[in-house]
Amino acid sequence: QVQLVQSGAEVKKPGASVKVSCKASGYTFTSYDINWVRQATGQGLEWMGWMNPNSGNTGYAQKFQGRVTMTRNTSISTAYMELSSLRSEDTAVYYCARVYDYGEDAFDIWGQGTMVTVSS
Amino acid sequence: SYELTQPLSVSVALGQTARITCGGNNIGSKNVHWYQQKPGQAPVLVIYRDSNRPSGIPERFSGSNSGNTATLTISRAQAGDEADYYCQVWDSSTSKFGGGTKLTVL
Repeated sequence: QVQLVQSGAEVKKPGASVKVSCKASGYTFTSYDINWVRQATGQGLEWMGWMNPNSGNTGYAQKFQGRVTMTRNTSISTAYMELSSLRSEDTAVYYCARVYDYGEDAFDIWGQGTMVTVSS
Repeated sequence: SYELTQPLSVSVALGQTARITCGGNNIGSKNVHWYQQKPGQAPVLVIYRDSNRPSGIPERFSGSNSGNTATLTISRAQAGDEADYYCQVWDSSTSKFGGGTKLTVL
């Protein structure tokens, strides 16, 4: 079945970087954009950016420009999201999500989420 | 930047109809998507492009969008519908989520 499986929980110190992976299966990885969304405990959903797995093109929310990098490895159908210069406010669950059709559309398949804790 | 406004909470009696709104400037000109999120789980798409249901989503879920308000309607509400609901749009190549609405089924 179509699914996205994310890497496990991470604990990082302030100032460090974290790289979360998102492995796709059950569909052609390069045919659908991948977006990243995060959610702090008890808070709402916050969009971080998108990546086209075919071209590698990306688009980031202004808030994360300069700190986030989205990449992929098409040979293993895996997308990555790296966030640098971590601070306590980055503590959240990070989700990858597939776009339903193409471009600016709904997110029909979500990963299970990866908890990232930033603490000294 | 484009802002979406949702009520913090909505309550509905078991078996009745719940309506969750999502307000935004001329939101009727955009495609609105709705997600359901239960505690400890990833969001699930329940309505896409204003009024379309993905496969597996009950017909009790419907959506509309006009003017400055989009609405998610849940008919014959069940205990299992209790969750947080988020609306989403795209604006200027950026995706935006509403703040979320907690639906309580009484």
